[in-house]
Amino acid sequence: SQTIHQWPATLVQPVGSPLSLECTVEGTSNPNLYWYRQAAGRGLQLLFYSVGIGQISSEVPQNLSASRPQDRQFILSSKKLLLSDSGFYLCAWSGLNSGANVLTFGAGSRLTVL
Amino acid sequence: AQSVAQPEDQVNVAEGNPLTVKCTYSVSGNPYLFWYVQYPNRGLQFLLKYITGDNLVKGSYGFEAEFNKSQTSFHLKKPSALVSDSALYFCAVRGSGSARQLTFGSGTQLTVLP
Repeated sequence: SQTIHQWPATLVQPVGSPLSLECTVEGTSNPNLYWYRQAAGRGLQLLFYSVGIGQISSEVPQNLSASRPQDRQFILSSKKLLLSDSGFYLCAWSGLNSGANVLTFGAGSRLTVL
Repeated sequence: AQSVAQPEDQVNVAEGNPLTVKCTYSVSGNPYLFWYVQYPNRGLQFLLKYITGDNLVKGSYGFEAEFNKSQTSFHLKKPSALVSDSALYFCAVRGSGSARQLTFGSGTQLTVLP
């Protein structure tokens, strides 16, 4: 069966420090991968998605970047964090080439920038 | 452009009573519609989806949703609410002919009172 892992689960970082959140998927190949941010426990904002190694699409210009160095690995990064980067970050995966595919989410990473 | 509206930020219902969480959508072409649930500090979990066929879709944990094309709605329902159903519920949509990613509503907090 497929599983998705996200870490760290909780992170407290000072303003201006770097960030790296990692997401890996097991039990599938060639997944679509996604990073979402959820602010204030509410709506989801799609940040990045990837349909393959090295292929990253950005939905919103921001202080963050994403990379996909391996088929089942998706990394969210920042060189210098801002206070506004605080939030709950969710990684998700889906199968390719079908709008009917369900998104499967990781457990999330809560980032607090002080 | 595709969009989802969840008109109620908060829904309160007594345990044992029926519950409804409302969702309306706007999309080009035929819609793919989804409901997800989120428990505190967790990722989203898939509940059910409508792709085609019967307008009444049954999903996990006794939930069901009714697709109404003329009203562009996809309301989530359960005949008898449990306290454990208390959570944040998200409706999401994607057009069948669209290359756009899934669009989520802003979420509805359901509280089931004992």
